[in-house]
Amino acid sequence: EAGVVQSPRYKIIEKKQPVAFWCNPISGHNTLYWYLQNLGQGPELLIRYENEEAVDDSQLPKDRFSAERLKGVDSTLKIQPAELGDSAVYLCASSSRTGGTGELFFGEGSRLTVL
Amino acid sequence: GQNIDQPTEMTATEGAIVQINCTYQTSGFNGLFWYQQHAGEAPTFLSYNVLDGLEEKGRFSSFLSRSKGYSYLLLKELQMKDSASYLCAVNRDDKIIFGKGTRLHILP
Repeated sequence: EAGVVQSPRYKIIEKKQPVAFWCNPISGHNTLYWYLQNLGQGPELLIRYENEEAVDDSQLPKDRFSAERLKGVDSTLKIQPAELGDSAVYLCASSSRTGGTGELFFGEGSRLTVL
Repeated sequence: GQNIDQPTEMTATEGAIVQINCTYQTSGFNGLFWYQQHAGEAPTFLSYNVLDGLEEKGRFSSFLSRSKGYSYLLLKELQMKDSASYLCAVNRDDKIIFGKGTRLHILP
């Protein structure tokens, strides 16, 4: 069974440029999460989807970040414009359970460097 | 990470036992996870505790006390491959919140 797939693995951009990350969850997993992880820190929740609905986006900086999960399968996270402080690893995770009760399966992450 | 506290770093010797503690704010609590994360890799699931008590899974065990807002991860017969960060994560009001992680160093 294929795991959570993310792309790109690495991205280097200059500040003020846009960037997008893509995530394909495990087949059949209705719950999808985007987390941000800085070096030496734990993952920080950005947004959680149940199917195509964003049920928790309270931590998403909506002035520059946006996300979508059309058709309730794969998802895209966008940053426009990027700032130096956005340099981090963006992790996507999926789960077969709702309400945060199930194991999260993480992708390998997209490492963003903003110059 | 939102009132989830765990030690930043720990060091232990190969073959020994180590206990990593985690304390958390109990409001809205629905369950507690432990994840392992090797450097440069994604976190992987170790355990999920909902009820009080100890759950054992091979060399790893996880304990939960809901009333005390306390959990620990116990690693036995430490191996060099156990060198990693261990993340405590709380299900709070259906939201999974991670602590900052404990970096565990294993000495030969």
